Amino acid sequence: DQQVKQNSPSLSVQEGRISILNCDYTNSMFDYFLWYKKYPAEGPTFLISISSIKDKNEDGRFTVFLNKSAKHLSLHIVPSQPGDSAVYFCAARPPLGRSSGDKLTFGTGTRLAVRP
Amino acid sequence: GAGVSQSPSNKVTEKGKDVELRCDPISGHTALYWYRQSLGQGLEFLIYFQGNSAPDKSGLPSDRFSAERTGGSVSTLTIQRTQQEDSAVYLCASSLFRSAAIFGPGTRLTVL
Repeated sequence: DQQVKQNSPSLSVQEGRISILNCDYTNSMFDYFLWYKKYPAEGPTFLISISSIKDKNEDGRFTVFLNKSAKHLSLHIVPSQPGDSAVYFCAARPPLGRSSGDKLTFGTGTRLAVRP
Repeated sequence: GAGVSQSPSNKVTEKGKDVELRCDPISGHTALYWYRQSLGQGLEFLIYFQGNSAPDKSGLPSDRFSAERTGGSVSTLTIQRTQQEDSAVYLCASSLFRSAAIFGPGTRLTVL
């Protein structure tokens, strides 16, 4: 059962435009969401996170939006740069006290290509 | 360095051999995770440590896989009698309690 889903395996965007990466989840108990970026031959790098008590979190060019009723989150990158080309993973975590502790459940990733 | 380190960076082994993968987390991080990424796949959870105990081992694929953590620091993932389907990048991450996990560079395991 895939509890965190990224339905778009790839996305291509022109440099300077907005990139929107989407993520859906099925477990309504998740209360914390994260986005990671991964370059080839490197470990994932933490980008930005959002708590379920918020609907938006912004950090520079990166903004994460959370729609709890739809169980959907998205990552916006504006403006997109060629160096943003990587695989992006969303991840979700259950609240404190659940037996799974701090376990992060990841989506399958979306490969973003930013064209110069 | 200040990041998560893993060794070896690459490991090639023959089917049936045992392998040990090591993870040195960031000093002071109480939580430690092992994930793996097979070719073309997402990040698959293996095991999670809080201190030296593992409250969640649900992701270990079979009893050939085991992991331990000592002194609340270094962790070792052991795969016995390796199979070709074990070939993957094994990723370790650590975090402070309830904070974002920081990943190491991974160990690429190839089973011939």
